[in-house]
Amino acid sequence: DGGITQSPKYLFRKEGQNVTLSCEQNLNHDAMYWYRQDPGQGLRLIYYSQIVNDFQKGDIAEGYSVSREKKESFPLTVTSAQKNPTAFYLCASSIKGTGVYEQYFGPGTRLTVT
Amino acid sequence: AQSVTQPDIHITVSEGASLELRCNYSYGATPYLFWYVQSPGQGLQLLLKYFSGDTLVQGIKGFEAEFKRSQSSFNLRKPSVHWSDAAEYFCAYANDYKLSFGAGTTVTVRA
Repeated sequence: DGGITQSPKYLFRKEGQNVTLSCEQNLNHDAMYWYRQDPGQGLRLIYYSQIVNDFQKGDIAEGYSVSREKKESFPLTVTSAQKNPTAFYLCASSIKGTGVYEQYFGPGTRLTVT
Repeated sequence: AQSVTQPDIHITVSEGASLELRCNYSYGATPYLFWYVQSPGQGLQLLLKYFSGDTLVQGIKGFEAEFKRSQSSFNLRKPSVHWSDAAEYFCAYANDYKLSFGAGTTVTVRA
């Protein structure tokens, strides 16, 4: 079955530690995205990548970093510089990164930082 | 600035009753609009989309939405709600690759 996998489903970290969230897709999609979801705020775009070895900042990139070394993978690192890292993180992909195409979402990772 | 507004934060509906979720957008050109559904602790699933053409769009799970340019709205409807429709629903507007989401409407279904 084609789809997007995110791991782990739940992640707990101490304040001051960097943490990396995994996102893998086998849909052969060019574009991948990371969103952050907080209660009552909908989804906000952190980073996106239209093709391999290229990525762009979204609306709330501060305190986050990404890489796109392979088409299938788009890991997100939440750094210690992120002021409020506790949130639900969703990865998505679409066929192309330019033009309007529907985005397919993974199941999400809930990160709790204490 | 482009924005998507979902005026209702929470709606409670009886099983078997009809459901309508409101979505309003503000921006200039031809809209590309989506409705997604999210079950608790899960990712988002696409219900339907509007790109152009017929203003009444059919989706999965018995949902439909109507695009009304004069009202800048894209409301989601379902004639008869099932308990499994309890979830959070998001309207989204696309500008090229970027999706802008509304804050969501939580639907509770009572027996």
